[in-house]
Amino acid sequence: AQSVAQPEDQVNVAEGNPLTVKCTYSVSGNPYLFWYVQYPNRGLQFLLKYITGDNLVKGSYGFEAEFNKSQTSFHLKKPSALVSDSALYFCAVRGTYGGSQGNLIFGKGTKLSVKP
Amino acid sequence: GAGVSQTPSNKVTEKGKYVELRCDPISGHTALYWYRQSLGQGPEFLIYFQGTGAADDSGLPNDRFFAVRPEGSVSTLKIQRTERGDSAVYLCASSSLDQETQYFGPGTRLLVL
Repeated sequence: AQSVAQPEDQVNVAEGNPLTVKCTYSVSGNPYLFWYVQYPNRGLQFLLKYITGDNLVKGSYGFEAEFNKSQTSFHLKKPSALVSDSALYFCAVRGTYGGSQGNLIFGKGTKLSVKP
Repeated sequence: GAGVSQTPSNKVTEKGKYVELRCDPISGHTALYWYRQSLGQGPEFLIYFQGTGAADDSGLPNDRFFAVRPEGSVSTLKIQRTERGDSAVYLCASSSLDQETQYFGPGTRLLVL
């Protein structure tokens, strides 16, 4: 079965410090991996994706993520957190064959809180 | 350009009533997806269209839920005989032919009393 795990319900970081939001996955075939951010009462905004190629992918707002195939992980990182980064972050995966080719499978989300 | 739009933004209905939720995808996007997000959870897949046809409807919870996309653009999610458990945010997304990135609308918040 395909799944995504975000082991932390909440991550607290001081402004200016580096942040990491963790994600591990289980999927058939080669994964397509995504991070989305959700602000209160808003839809999901795309941050970045890994399809193939370089394991370190860079996205919007200074975020980056590292694909680690051996650990089946795709952790989201940012070198210096901003208070405005406080939001709900979702990791998602899409399989690449069979009936899973269309839909995304999401984790439960991690609430990021950046304090000044 | 314009993103994915969804109407209404909020819908309050009574148990047993019929509701329709509309999604207008990004112009030119051939793939359209519906997800449901319950409080404190990640979005869960309902159905996706490639053009006019439903390519995968395996996420629809039961036969009270139905979706159409008659002209390959706008889609309507229809829920019959609503139940309180249907209360959630219904999200729509669209993607281009390569289906790599899905872009989401703001969602419709459905409350069934």
